[in-house]
Amino acid sequence: EAGVAQSPRYKIIEKRQSVAFWCNPISGHATLYWYQQILGQGPKLLIQFQNNGVVDDSQLPKDRFSAERLKGVDSTLKIQPAKLEDSAVYLCASSLGGSSGSPGVLFFGPGTRLTVL
Amino acid sequence: AQSVTQLGSHVSVSEGALVLLRCNYSSSVPPYLFWYVQYPNQGLQLLLKYTSAATLVKGINGFEAEFKKSETSFHLTKPSAHMSDAAEYFCAVGPRGAQKLVFGQGTRLTINP
Repeated sequence: EAGVAQSPRYKIIEKRQSVAFWCNPISGHATLYWYQQILGQGPKLLIQFQNNGVVDDSQLPKDRFSAERLKGVDSTLKIQPAKLEDSAVYLCASSLGGSSGSPGVLFFGPGTRLTVL
Repeated sequence: AQSVTQLGSHVSVSEGALVLLRCNYSSSVPPYLFWYVQYPNQGLQLLLKYTSAATLVKGINGFEAEFKKSETSFHLTKPSAHMSDAAEYFCAVGPRGAQKLVFGQGTRLTINP
């Protein structure tokens, strides 16, 4: 079974530029998450999708961050414009979700390491 | 609101020694608790979970954790450390039935030969 795929793995940009990350979850997983992991900290949830609907985006800085999950499969996370403090690893995760899933059992991708100069 | 606190950002043990990573949680409702491990340049993977069955939970790679409600703790242990255990370990909490997790800040485990 293929795992969660993310691209790119690394990205370096200058502040005020825009950047986009892509995630392909495990096939059949209804729930998709984007987490931000700043160096030395635990992952922080940015947004959670159930199929193609947003379940929780309370910690997403909506003035600069946006995310979508078209057709309930792949997802993209965009930052525009980027700030220095956005330097972090952006993790995508998926789970079965709903009544068929085991709560809290998330499958993570390898992450995208973003450096903002 | 739920939260977890991991005591010690860095733990170092000798190969063959006991591993003990500490996690305390705060939750107004009975929680689900998890330990995830992150190896270098990889995503997090589930080590074990507590979802209200047995309080002593066994996971992969010889790890186990015990849920102690009176101490609001969920410490992770392994009797004998291996070099391959070197990684970052995250404790996480989630409300029962929900899919959202809140992670602690992580503990980096170093194994000395």
